[in-house]
Amino acid sequence: EVLLVESGGGVVRPGGSLRLSCAASGFRFDDYGMTWVRQAPGQGLEWVSGIDWTGGDIKYADSVRGRFTISRDNAKNSLYLLMNSLRVEDTAFYHCARVPGFGGTSSWFDPWGQGTLVTVSS
Amino acid sequence: QSVLTQPPSVSGAPGQRVTISCTGTTSNIGVGYDVNWYQQFPGKVPKLLIHANKNRPSGVPDRFSGSKSGTSASLAISGLQAEDEADYYCQSYDISLSGSYVFGTGTKVTVL
Repeated sequence: EVLLVESGGGVVRPGGSLRLSCAASGFRFDDYGMTWVRQAPGQGLEWVSGIDWTGGDIKYADSVRGRFTISRDNAKNSLYLLMNSLRVEDTAFYHCARVPGFGGTSSWFDPWGQGTLVTVSS
Repeated sequence: QSVLTQPPSVSGAPGQRVTISCTGTTSNIGVGYDVNWYQQFPGKVPKLLIHANKNRPSGVPDRFSGSKSGTSASLAISGLQAEDEADYYCQSYDISLSGSYVFGTGTKVTVL
């Protein structure tokens, strides 16, 4: 069974930092791209960032570029998201998802992890 | 910031057919990029429903179908069932945003 489990969420002050992790199992991790998608409570989905299987192709949404850094460790079957300079508007559930052929214009996200909640508040 | 526009809500009686539109621009769907659809129940994780415009993953009922034309795409649900009540999101690729993925605004389907 393919399983994605996020961790690392919590409450942080504006301007603070958090590092999210996504542990993958049930599939060959280094065969797939990975992505982060967030959803503010009661709101829609927003794509955040993604990375191909090598780590060489990385993309960010304009809203997080320069503040967030995505990375992966294929030896540990893990995906990460380092979030700096956090803002109140970054408050959301952060989901990781598997991406066949990340970087391509036809990429889809399947499956998704349960998510970890990040709350940015003073 | 969503660049794909969906109606906030659609509704139908059991057994009816409903469609959800996903309107993009010449920077995404209009360029020819594929559209994917996700279903999300309250408090649950989004699930892939349709990929590459019209393809259903294993296990998705054939009453769900997708299509694309021009700068828009559509998701149709035929023979609407109570269990189809959920939020639905389209997703595509957009070349104008330094090359990134974008979601639709989301549509709540209500079964009357």
